[in-house]
Amino acid sequence: GAVVSQHPSWVICKSGTSVKIECRSLDFQATTMFWYRQFPKQSLMLMATSNEGSKATYEQGVEKDKFLINHASLTLSTLTVTSAHPEDSSFYICSAIRWGSRGEQFFGPGTRLTVL
Amino acid sequence: AQKVTQAQTEISVVEKEDVTLDCVYETRDTTYYLFWYKQPPSGELVFLIRRNSFDEQNEISGRYSWNFQKSTSSFNFTITASQVVDSAVYFCALSEPLGGSEKLVFGKGTKLTVNP
Repeated sequence: GAVVSQHPSWVICKSGTSVKIECRSLDFQATTMFWYRQFPKQSLMLMATSNEGSKATYEQGVEKDKFLINHASLTLSTLTVTSAHPEDSSFYICSAIRWGSRGEQFFGPGTRLTVL
Repeated sequence: AQKVTQAQTEISVVEKEDVTLDCVYETRDTTYYLFWYKQPPSGELVFLIRRNSFDEQNEISGRYSWNFQKSTSSFNFTITASQVVDSAVYFCALSEPLGGSEKLVFGKGTKLTVNP
């Protein structure tokens, strides 16, 4: 149990386009989901915390108008990178907290975004 | 502010050697959790251990062992008889209590290369 999936696993897009990444908890309900970004050879940096039915909380320095997060249900959160540019190329990882699990995070496999 | 320091950027060992990955943390919270994750080249984070701040007992799981010392704010990870499959980036992380959920702060990671 406690499987988190992400779709797509990788995506290549042209500069200026928008890209949507889905994060799903497959076998549990997730009260909270997190979105991280990881640049090559760097650590994971938290971008935002997403709670079902409410607005996401963004970390300092993360543009909320550029990285739109929608947590529409207890099993799905989406991250949309709007008007993507090459500097947005990164590895995006989501995690989910299972309701009743005392906060343990389960990570998705990540989505590699390349913006040309 | 919470902080996790992994001073070792890269470590290279020969198979069957023992290796210890260091992790030092800073927090003002009395209740917190510490984690270790493994990130192989595929990118997917693999959960290794979660330890709460009230449990200072060392833990052993197969070839893996962890030494938690609150007095020195350290949570070190030892791999005994390393294998090539242990090659990965290892991240230490600290939870930041957030209304009952856990917001993770990651160290910069230690890249371990185990050579045959």
